Amino acid sequence: QKEVEQNSGPLSVPEGAIASLNCTYSDRGSQSFFWYRQYSGKSPELIMFIYSNGDKEDGRFTAQLNKASQYVSLLIRDSQPSDSATYLCAVKMNTGFQKLVFGTGTRLLVSP
Amino acid sequence: SAVISQKPSRDICQRGTSLTIQCQVDSQVTMMFWYRQQPGQSLTLIATANQGSEATYESGFVIDKFPISRPNLTFSTLTVSNMSPEDSSIYLCSVDWQGAAYFGPGTRLTVT
Repeated sequence: QKEVEQNSGPLSVPEGAIASLNCTYSDRGSQSFFWYRQYSGKSPELIMFIYSNGDKEDGRFTAQLNKASQYVSLLIRDSQPSDSATYLCAVKMNTGFQKLVFGTGTRLLVSP
Repeated sequence: SAVISQKPSRDICQRGTSLTIQCQVDSQVTMMFWYRQQPGQSLTLIATANQGSEATYESGFVIDKFPISRPNLTFSTLTVSNMSPEDSSIYLCSVDWQGAAYFGPGTRLTVT
């Protein structure tokens, strides 16, 4: 089992729709969860982090965490073509230097 | 967030040679990380570099191939030694800033 798993996509949504990106993780002791956006040819950019069960909202983005199910998701409301990118889920492991482990990413395509 | 710069931004190198990548942060940070992102892949942690101690390497990465320096709290270097075409990748410097990871712009390395 991979430490952090994501559907590679692509996930295609029309402009204005809600995009739902999902991620599961294996280390039950993990405490910190992150979503990064990566445009082609660019480095990852942090867009959300969440530490507690439940929802966390920031503008059009909502991160959801369910530690019992070892599941974290990212919702993007009113999706825009500029949201088209690869979204990386990252989990800070509860070991050693608390290294960040990344999923393989989900490619999101928002069509006008 | 911390501002991170890397040099060079890209390079084309011949096999058998070495390249040193520099990473500079505008704030003092305890932990710096080096990642590799191969074409179409997610991020793989190479090593964690703390100031004043030896770098800690992840499985599959060794110091002879990827020596790292961390002379102070704002600077680190990663050397890719005795390069082969398989080392062609993007190399990313990252820092842990207030619990989240932030990335430099990356160094795109092509080995011919």
